[in-house]
Amino acid sequence: GESVGLHLPTLSVQEGDNSIINCAYSNSASDYFIWYKQESGKGPQFIIDIRSNMDKRQGQRVTVLLNKTVKHLSLQIAATQPGDSAVYFCAEISPRSNYKLTFGKGTLLTVNP
Amino acid sequence: EAQVTQNPRYLITVTGKKLTVTCSQNMNHEYMSWYRQDPGLGLRQIYYSMNVEVTDKGDVPEGYKVSRKEKRNFPLILESPSPNQTSLYFCASSHPLGGGSYNEQFFGPGTRLTVL
Repeated sequence: GESVGLHLPTLSVQEGDNSIINCAYSNSASDYFIWYKQESGKGPQFIIDIRSNMDKRQGQRVTVLLNKTVKHLSLQIAATQPGDSAVYFCAEISPRSNYKLTFGKGTLLTVNP
Repeated sequence: EAQVTQNPRYLITVTGKKLTVTCSQNMNHEYMSWYRQDPGLGLRQIYYSMNVEVTDKGDVPEGYKVSRKEKRNFPLILESPSPNQTSLYFCASSHPLGGGSYNEQFFGPGTRLTVL
């Protein structure tokens, strides 16, 4: 499959550990933030989103934290599994940009068995 | 199955030879968009369409054209491809963005384009 992992920040964890992937966003007017997962050879897949009036949202094994003061977003994955190995992108969306999705550069997560 | 399809998945062509990458979605989505993905640069939006016959430029529209004559299709056209358009291309679709809620964008599987 196509490699999109070149030149990316990387995070390597052991299976069963918790993973934390960080993202700094740029636009203080953004009102939605989304995490996408991209496996090798596939398109990005939605994981979880959070609205700007929230600071935490939980899904199944994933939690997103939003700190608007420092414009920081994080994705926590509990009990990381080999199937979680992928590139993770944060994205922001702002009404001032006609609701365009602006993606971060991505982080490559590798889960070691 | 709800999906976004792209064709071709892989294409090698030469400079200046016009090509079209097709995108089709079966979810009755109003919003469609094209992105290119390059190492170290992430995904960048090329063009988007809010609905039929409504298209607008994204961040990197130079060298590309799009059309939206039908709701389900959003082809990407490269009239005269150049080597700097070698990239991985993704089409995405969703219900309208904004309006107080976020609607998930669904991505196609990608088209790997090489321009020699």
